Order: sequence, then structure tokens, then C-alpha cells
Amino acid sequence: DIQMTQSPSSLSASVGDRVTISCRASQDIHTDLNWYQQTPGKAPKLLIYSASTLQTGVPSRFSGSGSASDFTLTISSLQPEDFATYYCQQSAFTPRTFGQGTKVEIK
Amino acid sequence: QVQLVQSGAEVKKPGSSLKVSCKASGGTFSGFGISWVRQAPGQGLEWMGEIIPIFGTTNYQQKFQGRVAISADDSTSTVYMDLSRLRPDDTAVYYCARQGGLYGPGTYLEFWGPGTLVTVSS
Repeated sequence: DIQMTQSPSSLSASVGDRVTISCRASQDIHTDLNWYQQTPGKAPKLLIYSASTLQTGVPSRFSGSGSASDFTLTISSLQPEDFATYYCQQSAFTPRTFGQGTKVEIK
Repeated sequence: QVQLVQSGAEVKKPGSSLKVSCKASGGTFSGFGISWVRQAPGQGLEWMGEIIPIFGTTNYQQKFQGRVAISADDSTSTVYMDLSRLRPDDTAVYYCARQGGLYGPGTYLEFWGPGTLVTVSS
């Protein structure tokens, strides 16, 4: 199975900060990488698919980049509603594994 | 807009079986894959498996092989996830999610159900 490793596991940031979350795959997954946001008690929400394509309705402050085994999710200016846990997921191979999550907390 | 409605919360005894349903409305049913993802309390997301209803094909995570079965009923646009020989560590919220894009590599989980809480306890 492909292992997905996110870093950091958690971070503290302030409103307006630029935030970067990394996701590394244990092997080449091309650009078959998705990002999800989850707030407590809610289902995850798709933010970005195919490494860099913004899902319809997602604010443009979210962006994704990367290919092969290294990927990044960037929030250009953190907003109060962005405090949540973020997960990457590879869809190149089954099982379509998730990273362990990155919790973004208020500083 | 696609909506996924899941069956209600369940309390199960260890060793018993579970069947969770996921009914889709809006959009095309059989042309898109449905995945099942679970989340244990305070833990991350775990992909369990998927079905492509138009082909009837399934893929499962190895750790669930032999215990999980995902099926689809085109006539009611419903997908089912059966999990047998339940253990306390199967306690989790179980989500169904409809895939976007083409099935196979490159898919993504575009629409999610609200989740079904399953508690396994003696």
C-alpha cells in the first residue's frame, strides 16, 4: 500500500497568516492527489483534486501544487472558518489511502 | 445537486454483523463510484473500499478483506456496506462518498454522506 505522510501533524496560526501543509507519498502517484477539509462533527469536504484543481465553490485562497511524491496545500490568508483538519488522499492506486491529517488551530 | 442519505446509528455486539446503506439522489447513480471511509473516535480517515455500480466491480483495503462487502442496487440508487465479525475497534463513523471524475486512478470524493455512527460494545 502507498503510505501518505503529512507534515506537520498540527500547527497554530493567526487569521491572515499564510499556511502550508505538506503531503508525501511513498511512491510516485503522478498528480492523483486530493485534499479535504474536515471540521468537528462534519463530513470531510473536497477542496482540491488532481493536485491543483480547485473544487467548484472553494475560495481561491486555497491552492495545491506538486507531482510525483511531494505535494503542498497552501492557504494564502487564513480565515476564521479555515480552522479545521486537512487530509490528503492518493487516488492513483487502491487502496486509496489518506494522510494522517493536519490540524490547523488558532494561535 | 447530489445528496447521499445514510442509515441511522447502530449499536452492535462483538462478533455480529453490520449493514449500512447509502441512498443517492440527484445526478447519475451507476456512472460514478461510491467509496466507504471510516473514522474512529479522535482518529483520521480510513478508506475501506469502493464499488463502481455500472460495472459491479469492487476494491477493498486488504485489512478488511473477508469481512467487508460493498454492493449496489441500481433500482433504488442505494449502496450497501456489510461488515462482519465486528470488533470493538470497528467503532467509528462510517461515511459513504460519491466519486467525481472518471472511475479508476484520479478519482476524488466529491459528495459525502453525513456519516453513520457505529458503536461495537458488549
